[in-house]
Amino acid sequence: GAGVSQSPSNKVTEKGKDVELRCDPISGHTALYWYRQSLGQGLEFLIYFQGNSAPDKSGLPSDRFSAERTGGSVSTLTIQRTQQEDSAVYLCASGLGFSSYEQYFGPGTRLTVT
Amino acid sequence: GDSVTQMEGPVTLSEEAFLTINCTYTATGYPSLFWYVQYPGEGLQLLLKATKADDKGSNKGFEATYRKETTSFHLEKGSVQVSDSAVYFCALLPGANSKLTFGKGITLSVRP
Repeated sequence: GAGVSQSPSNKVTEKGKDVELRCDPISGHTALYWYRQSLGQGLEFLIYFQGNSAPDKSGLPSDRFSAERTGGSVSTLTIQRTQQEDSAVYLCASGLGFSSYEQYFGPGTRLTVT
Repeated sequence: GDSVTQMEGPVTLSEEAFLTINCTYTATGYPSLFWYVQYPGEGLQLLLKATKADDKGSNKGFEATYRKETTSFHLEKGSVQVSDSAVYFCALLPGANSKLTFGKGITLSVRP
């Protein structure tokens, strides 16, 4: 079946611009996670959704970062006024939720802020 | 807080060599432990997992045993192949529906 998909696969933006990153989870997966992979910081958790609610937003690095999920499916991660330190690969993962231990990752969006 | 420590890399081996990649963790309670692999140009894939002490996860010839007494989850393979060249991440999950905490990852290169 279809896996987690993310778009765009690559995004180059100028410092100060806003960007939106999209994640389509595996159908039926109620849990959705955003992570960031950067050279300096490794793999970091950003936010977790269960359905449309976000019970854990503890990894969002600043108030320039926000995320939403609608219809219990697609999620959008928005970064406002991008900075060069936001350059990273943004990974989305989904899981069955409700006592599930496995997270299935998408291919990521590579964001470059110039 | 929770943390995962992996041995420093990169690691370069010849084909058919024995592989060990060390991973230790710090966590409260009884986390689940995972190895994820990232092949060149691809996304993260779950390689194997163990959800309780003394469990052994295995897949594609790789094995790791959850050792609570040493808080370790070392990855081993008896005979590596060129196709095993990738970045390997150890990770822990405190409980279901929670965030993964990853180690820094280690790059493995296998030469023919």
